[in-house]
Amino acid sequence: KNEVEQSPQNLTAQEGEFITINCSYSVGISALHWLQQHPGGGIVSLFMLSSGKKKHGRLIATINIQEKHSSLHITASHPRDSAVYICAARSSNYGGSQGNLIFGKGTKLSVKP
Amino acid sequence: EPEVTQTPSHQVTQMGQEVILRCVPISNHLYFYWYRQILGQKVEFLVSFYNNEISEKSEIFDDQFSVERPDGSNFTLKIRSTKLEDSAMYFCASSINWGNEQFFGPGTRLTVL
Repeated sequence: KNEVEQSPQNLTAQEGEFITINCSYSVGISALHWLQQHPGGGIVSLFMLSSGKKKHGRLIATINIQEKHSSLHITASHPRDSAVYICAARSSNYGGSQGNLIFGKGTKLSVKP
Repeated sequence: EPEVTQTPSHQVTQMGQEVILRCVPISNHLYFYWYRQILGQKVEFLVSFYNNEISEKSEIFDDQFSVERPDGSNFTLKIRSTKLEDSAMYFCASSINWGNEQFFGPGTRLTVL
């Protein structure tokens, strides 16, 4: 059972395009993380959000708690944005996995010049 | 900017050997985590640690694994008798408090031969 689903799995875009990556989750959450994994394997936290929208530079993350859905948008994409983008949900269920991150499989983004 | 560091970046070991992976969390952070990513798969939670004890662990974190904070800065993951299937990227993370954003280290690639 996949509690966190991402789409698409792979995405190829031309430089300058607007990009959207989607994340749906089936568990109750207290927060949702968007992470970026570089080709070398390192993971960088982009956003943590529990409602509404956050923006940092060309990146925008939104979440709809009622629909259990979040999106990551990249405006004016650039080849340096090429990476795997991972959605991770922090469960809000008491006990069990409370508070720990449940990861999606990631979306591999490739931006061509 | 403070960051989580991990050593070594790559560890090669023989099956059955013990390995210790080291992490230095961000200095004012109180919660520490270990995650694992087998090549081509999603990131998985292993264990969280607070106040010198494990606060939560996953099914993966069996008796072969242990964690320790031997001094005020290091946070270690020990695998007592490595198996081939332990080959993976191991990520350490820390957060200032429970529920706050987690910051990830660059990872240690463990290869078990």
